Amino acid sequence: GAVVSQHPSWVICKSGTSVKIECRSLDFQATTMFWYRQFPKQSLMLMATSNEGSKATYEQGVEKDKFLINHASLTLSTLTVTSAHPEDSSFYICSARDRGENNEQFFGPGTRLTVL
Amino acid sequence: AQTVTQSQPEMSVQEAETVTLSCTYDTSESDYYLFWYKQPPSRQMILVIRQEAYKQQNATENRFSVNFQKAAKSFSLKISDSQLGDAAMYFCSNFGNEKLTFGTGTRLTIIP
Repeated sequence: GAVVSQHPSWVICKSGTSVKIECRSLDFQATTMFWYRQFPKQSLMLMATSNEGSKATYEQGVEKDKFLINHASLTLSTLTVTSAHPEDSSFYICSARDRGENNEQFFGPGTRLTVL
Repeated sequence: AQTVTQSQPEMSVQEAETVTLSCTYDTSESDYYLFWYKQPPSRQMILVIRQEAYKQQNATENRFSVNFQKAAKSFSLKISDSQLGDAAMYFCSNFGNEKLTFGTGTRLTIIP
């Protein structure tokens, strides 16, 4: 299957700082990328959907000014957590959809964010 | 709106035995896909099996098979000859309206 990478795999930051997480599709072009958040022992919660070259669509309850998403190319999407606070600590997972694969989504390995 | 319900938070099975994980869903879409994903301790999401809603035949992938009951909106996963490496969280999901919706997951434990 196709490969999606995420960087960094884990990050620790101080409260009030901003953190950027990168998501790349390595061997296919992803017209659509998704960002999920997963709390311990819970399911994946969709935060936003991003299409290349256009603004992201955020799910209800997700602050778009706090979680900035950019999808500048067909292989790269970034999630920036601005002015991070301890409650933003979580596991963030991106996925990319390959339209040539029956709408299958390929997932990155996730990024664990800890805000002190 | 789409919903996916997994009513079994935890399941366990003896190694080499068969186990079935339950899933029901609701959707207003006429064209959709159903998936089972596995999330091992590494937390990497891995696709186990996929079912197109328009196909009546149940999907199979080696030891994994599904029982897709479209009218009942049921999509259970059967794992045959369970192996230690099957231990993981299993998420049932429905893709429709350009979104993938996940159930709450079932933690599967394999007993040696």
